[in-house]
Amino acid sequence: QVQLQQWGAGLLKDSETLSLTCGVDGTPFRGYHWIWIRQSPEKGLEWIGEIDHDESTNYNPSLKSRVTISLDTSKNEFSLRLISVTAGDTAVYYCASATWIKRGGVDYWGQGTPVTVSS
Amino acid sequence: DIQMTQSPSSLSASVGDKVNITCRSSQTITVYLNWYQQKPGKAPKLLIFATSTLESGVPSRFSGTGSATDFTLTIDSLQPDDFATYYCQQSYFVPQTFGQGTRVEIK
Repeated sequence: QVQLQQWGAGLLKDSETLSLTCGVDGTPFRGYHWIWIRQSPEKGLEWIGEIDHDESTNYNPSLKSRVTISLDTSKNEFSLRLISVTAGDTAVYYCASATWIKRGGVDYWGQGTPVTVSS
Repeated sequence: DIQMTQSPSSLSASVGDKVNITCRSSQTITVYLNWYQQKPGKAPKLLIFATSTLESGVPSRFSGTGSATDFTLTIDSLQPDDFATYYCQQSYFVPQTFGQGTRVEIK
């Protein structure tokens, strides 16, 4: 059973950097896509990007210039970094995982981290 | 980006009713369509992946059909635990995208 536990700062000011980390328990990194998704009332569920065990990444083009997803296999963690945040980045951020055995269906989710960006 | 359009946006139904939620993609996504259930304050939960495959542990009253651009989630005999918001998601193209959600409320 895969378990994801996420942490990071939930209150930021304009132009600061959002940093979240997700701890992975119960599975090796190989075979999964490690994903960040956010949810806000304005934009709904928004896929931010993903990283594979070989550290290849895909990002949402709308965020690509500001986002980095990284992996630390020695710590069983993956992380999200989003620079130059604005109020538009206010959302609940989820780490998650998916496998192509399930055609990309996201089967494990972290508990979510509410992030508020204020001016 | 691929646009995912769900209908209806919300519906009211009674326990025991059959409910259909549809999802249309702006381009063909073959069978790369997934359905999620979300309750307030919780992360979405995967119900169905690859259009029609039931995730482990999900009751058999949930089913999915469709292909290409048109997909349907069906709930046979709605149960009290099913009142929630449902989302479709395409996982064929980057960026992956979600529908806007369908809220199922108690009549």
